[in-house]
Amino acid sequence: SQTIHQWPATLVQPVGSPLSLECTVEGTSNPNLYWYRQAAGRGLQLLFYSVGIGQISSEVPQNLSASRPQDRQFILSSKKLLLSDSGFYLCAWSKPTGSTDTQYFGPGTRLTVL
Amino acid sequence: AQSVTQPDIHITVSEGASLELRCNYSYGATPYLFWYVQSPGQGLQLLLKYFSGDTLVQGIKGFEAEFKRSQSSFNLRKPSVHWSDAAEYFCAVADASGGSYIPTFGRGTSLIVHP
Repeated sequence: SQTIHQWPATLVQPVGSPLSLECTVEGTSNPNLYWYRQAAGRGLQLLFYSVGIGQISSEVPQNLSASRPQDRQFILSSKKLLLSDSGFYLCAWSKPTGSTDTQYFGPGTRLTVL
Repeated sequence: AQSVTQPDIHITVSEGASLELRCNYSYGATPYLFWYVQSPGQGLQLLLKYFSGDTLVQGIKGFEAEFKRSQSSFNLRKPSVHWSDAAEYFCAVADASGGSYIPTFGRGTSLIVHP
């Protein structure tokens, strides 16, 4: 069966510090991968998605970036965090069907920028 | 572009009462529709989905949803709510015609269950 992991689970970082959040998927090959942010009281905002190694699409211009160094690894980064980067970050995967399929979500990372 | 509206930000019900969470979408063709549930501090779990076929869809935890094309709705229902159902519920819609296959999520409905 497939599983998705995210770490760390929680993170408190000062403004201006770098960020690296990691997501890995097990039990599947060439998944579509997604990063979402969920701010308090708001829905899910799609940040990045990837259909393959090195292929990243950005949905919202901001100071975050994403990379996919391996087939089942998806990393969210920032060189300098802003207060507005605080939120709950969710990674998700879906089957590489080339069309819509169910997304499966990780447990999330709670990021607080002080 | 597709959009999803969950008109109720909060819903409060008593344990044992019936539940209906509303979801309306804006999309020209037949959509793919999803309902997810999120417990506090957790990721999203799929409750059910509609891709085609029978418009009444059964999901996990006793939930069901009905796709009504004429009303552009996909409301989630449960006949008897349990205290453990207290959570955030998200409706999502995606393009079934082969366009952008990434679902668009509603802003969520927070369910509060009174004992």
